[in-house]
Amino acid sequence: DAGITQSPRHKVTETGTPVTLRCHQTENHRYMYWYRQDPGHGLRLIHYSYGVKDTDKGEVSDGYSVSRSKTEDFLLTLESATSSQTSVYFCAISEFGSNTEAFFGQGTRLTVV
Amino acid sequence: AQTVTQSQPEMSVQEAETVTLSCTYDTSENNYYLFWYKQPPSRQMILVIRQEAYKQQNATENRFSVNFQKAAKSFSLKISDSQLGDTAMYFCAFMRTSGYSTLTFGKGTMLLVSP
Repeated sequence: DAGITQSPRHKVTETGTPVTLRCHQTENHRYMYWYRQDPGHGLRLIHYSYGVKDTDKGEVSDGYSVSRSKTEDFLLTLESATSSQTSVYFCAISEFGSNTEAFFGQGTRLTVV
Repeated sequence: AQTVTQSQPEMSVQEAETVTLSCTYDTSENNYYLFWYKQPPSRQMILVIRQEAYKQQNATENRFSVNFQKAAKSFSLKISDSQLGDTAMYFCAFMRTSGYSTLTFGKGTMLLVSP
């Protein structure tokens, strides 16, 4: 299994508080992604990174920011959590090669109350 | 931007039968990857099968095979000899290979395999 871990696995937070989710990889993959999964919507891309300090927005980036100061870590921050950000968040990594695929973390269930 | 469409929100099949899940996509790219991922109740995302667009031969992995029609932008998944453990959400996904790579998912198809 690819070395990718998310923390925390579960979190309950109050509206208006900042929240940071962490994704850590040991595979030295160039690309890292944050997705949110909601019923009826599949997985939607929030932000992605193509290298250290190189990030870009996905389709649902409003209310989220990211940082990648090291190859192995990709942080997702909700500056001021809202109930609409209650979701399951997945981190993924990928690299092009002979067996290109994306590897996923275990997911983080975030509840904003 | 790429879009991926899965038109079957739910499907049911009996054990040992064959089922086909549909996926279409829209892109102006010529080279790309297509994937089917499985998500069981554990929430883990598991790669089922991968297809490279430049390869004309359809990918197969044991009981799983695809019908890749590049001109029609269609990428269906066939599961043969369905097993109870195949019950899961299945996602079709597109990955571009030019520029910065992103992975775009369809909304998923929930497959229920019954005894």
